[in-house]
Amino acid sequence: DGGITQSPKYLFRKEGQNVTLSCEQNLNHDAMYWYRQDPGQGLRLIYYSQIVNDFQKGDIAEGYSVSREKKESFPLTVTSAQKNPTAFYLCASRRQGDTEAFFGQGTRLTVV
Amino acid sequence: KNEVEQSPQNLTAQEGEFITINCSYSVGISALHWLQQHPGGGIVSLFMLSSGKKKHGRLIATINIQEKHSSLHITASHPRDSAVYICAVSPPRTSGSRLTFGEGTQLTVNP
Repeated sequence: DGGITQSPKYLFRKEGQNVTLSCEQNLNHDAMYWYRQDPGQGLRLIYYSQIVNDFQKGDIAEGYSVSREKKESFPLTVTSAQKNPTAFYLCASRRQGDTEAFFGQGTRLTVV
Repeated sequence: KNEVEQSPQNLTAQEGEFITINCSYSVGISALHWLQQHPGGGIVSLFMLSSGKKKHGRLIATINIQEKHSSLHITASHPRDSAVYICAVSPPRTSGSRLTFGEGTQLTVNP
C-alpha cells in the first residue's frame, strides 16, 4: 500500500544537538512539506519541496534545514540554532497539480 | 487575519449531540481537507472536498465554494470523537503548492 511514513513517532534529544526527522513516501508525489505544530496553535510551514534537488523556505525556516536528494525522501534537520525545537512535526506530500494531499503520522520531538 | 479560520476553537458536547465545526477561507482553493488529530498527535485525513457534500459513517462534510465556507458535522457524537479537527486548503493548480491550515477545533465529547 502506498503512503507516507514518518519516523520515529517520539524523539528525545539533548539541547544543543542536531536531530534529523525522517519522511518517506512511496506515492510518487512531487511535492513534500514539513510543518510544525505548537500546543494550541495551527500547523505552520517550515520548508517545502516541489521537485528533487529543490526546496523553498516556509514561514518559520530559521533553525531548520532540509534536503531532497530523492523524490521519495524529504528529511528535516532541527539544528541547534532552533531556539524552541520541542514541538510536533508533520510531513505531507502531494502530486504536483493534484488536489489530494497525504499526511504522515507526525513526530513529537522533545528537547531536554 | 488568517487565510483559513475555524470556529469554534473549543467545543464541548454531551454524547449523542449533533456537532458542527466551521471553516472559512479567504483564498482561492482547489480543494479543502478535514483532518482529525488525536491526543498523541497522529493525523488522519477525513475528507477532501472540492464541491458539494461527502459522508462517511457519522461524519458529513459540506463546502460552499461561492461563500468560501465548509462545515464538518458529526451526528450522534461519541467520546471517541474527542480530538482536534483541522481544516486545510490546497491552492489552485496554477499557483504555488503550499497547503494552508486552520488552527484547529478541540472537540471534547463527554459520556
